[in-house]
This record gives sequence, C-alpha cells and structure tokens, in this order.
Amino acid sequence: DAGVTQSPTHLIKTRGQQVTLRCSPISGHKSVSWYQQVLGQGPQFIFQYYEKEERGRGNFPDRFSARQFPNYSSELNVNALLLGDSALYLCASSLDISYEQYFGPGTRLTVT
Amino acid sequence: KNEVEQSPQNLTAQEGEFITINCSYSVGISALHWLQQHPGGGIVSLFMLSSGKKKHGRLIATINIQEKHSSLHITASHPRDSAVYICAAGGLIQGAQKLVFGQGTRLTINP
Repeated sequence: DAGVTQSPTHLIKTRGQQVTLRCSPISGHKSVSWYQQVLGQGPQFIFQYYEKEERGRGNFPDRFSARQFPNYSSELNVNALLLGDSALYLCASSLDISYEQYFGPGTRLTVT
Repeated sequence: KNEVEQSPQNLTAQEGEFITINCSYSVGISALHWLQQHPGGGIVSLFMLSSGKKKHGRLIATINIQEKHSSLHITASHPRDSAVYICAAGGLIQGAQKLVFGQGTRLTINP
C-alpha cells in the first residue's frame, strides 16, 4: 500500500509569491495534519483536518490556509511568502483524529 | 522552557552500545510519540504509547505518566540507527490532535 505522498518534493519561490503544497493520505485515512519544520528545529503544528473540516490550527498567520477534499487529500496554501517560510513542510495522515499519525516525505520550500 | 524537552541533544556511540534517549514533557497528553528522521527529512513513526512499555525489534519505548517522562532505548546499536530521534507529546485539544515536538536528538553510531 502507498504511504502518505506529498508534492512537489522541492520548490523554490521568491518573496511575495504564493505556493500550494499537496498531500495524499494513506487510503482509508480521514485525517490530515500539516507541520512546518525549520532547519535545525522540531516540527511545528499548522493545521489538522478531519472529514473536510478544520479541527485545529497552530500559531501561524492567516497567510497560511488549507483545505481537505472529498477524497481526503489536502492542500496547504501560503500567500505573500517571506524568507522565514523556508522550511520542510510535512503532512501526516491518520485513520481518525486520535490515532497514530503517518508522515509523508515532506516538501522542501525555499523562499529567496 | 519548552513544553517537550529531549536529552541529550547529540549522542555519539560505538556500534553495539545500548542507547537511551530521554523525553520530558509539561503538557497534558493522550499519547507520546517517538519518531525517527533521516537526512533528507522523511519521518517514520516508531512508537505511539500512552502507558507502560512497547518493544519493536531492537527498539524499546517506555513512559511514566506520573513523572511525565519517556525513554527510547536501542539495544545492540548499529550505524544504520544513525538519525534524529524526536519525541512528540500528543493531546486532544479542542477537537484536534496536536503534536508538540521536542527539538530532537541527533544519534550517530560509529562502526
């Protein structure tokens, strides 16, 4: 069975641009969470979605938004990119909100 | 003070040694996660535990809820165990499962 997949793998954007990152959960998983990992630090929680509804949001500005589709895949959008948004963006899926989370390989975003 | 603290931050050992990584947390949790991250970023979930002890191969994870402390042990360590090990405290907060991550322990096993 395929694990969590994310696209693209790497991305380079310039300040002020907008970016969309995509995540496909493990088949049967209904919850998707997004995390940001800045180099040298542990991941930080951004969003959790379950059954297409936002269930939780971390301490991130409104420039960050996300959505979950009927097939449970998810997109993370970041507007007006800043240099500080450069990070590894991780997606994790789980059967349900409180179940074990399985992580994707991440999308490495570089903002120049 | 971080809500989840790991020690040590860096650990270098020889192949075959018994390894212990510690995690202390100050938040209320429903489960404690141990994760492994290799260079390049991919994260693998090793354990999710809410009490007692779990074992998988050469890896053992324990948790003491009263003391808010967890340990990850690796027996007969091998160079392929070299990675960053991260503990994360998971709590159901206002309907969402939020993970609060430690800063990670970078483990290097020399042959």
